[in-house]
Amino acid sequence: GAVVSQHPSRVICKSGTSVKIECRSLDFQATTMFWYRQFPKQSLMLMATSNEGSKATYEQGVEKDKFLINHASLTLSTLTVTSAHPEDSSFYICSARHSYEQYFGPGTRLTVT
Amino acid sequence: DAKTTQPPSMDCAEGRAANLPCNHSTISGNEYVYWYRQIHSQGPQYIIHGLKNNETNEMASLIITEDRKSSTLILPHATLRDTAVYYCIVRVDYNNNDMRFGAGTRLTVKP
Repeated sequence: GAVVSQHPSRVICKSGTSVKIECRSLDFQATTMFWYRQFPKQSLMLMATSNEGSKATYEQGVEKDKFLINHASLTLSTLTVTSAHPEDSSFYICSARHSYEQYFGPGTRLTVT
Repeated sequence: DAKTTQPPSMDCAEGRAANLPCNHSTISGNEYVYWYRQIHSQGPQYIIHGLKNNETNEMASLIITEDRKSSTLILPHATLRDTAVYYCIVRVDYNNNDMRFGAGTRLTVKP
């Protein structure tokens, strides 16, 4: 089946620094990937849609200059949280579209201290 | 996309069938019903989807009412490992439509 990986699985960074999260489709090519954020005890909230070779589309209320998304190849999308603050601490999940299905990565737990 | 309504939580005894309801009264004719689940601190896992016919796979069965305004996900023999949050999502099944999650149902399978 289609597998999506994320790296790292957990990251702790200091306030003011930037952190990059990778999302890879391991056995298929994905022209479209999605990034979600999930706070404790809440549902997944779509942050942005990442299209290979073009600019990402951000959901209302998501700062595109803070959450930089790059989809440089058909198997890799990256999310960079710039100038991270403690309120950015969350569970970040990516998904990749394959045929008509979406496959989700295992998530990345970001803690900003 | 149409919205869905699910009970916030349910309990089920281990070995019994778990029946998770979902209301989607404003579903459009070209929208599919998808079910995902999320075990704690993991990414969502696809379970099953359907348009109007009932569907079954190795994980679960999906029963969709004739008017398509509601559906039920059935886990025939729930195990402790089925404890998770279950999300019912309706979406149009083409192009690059994203998957938008509601609050889901927290299913707890008890020994």
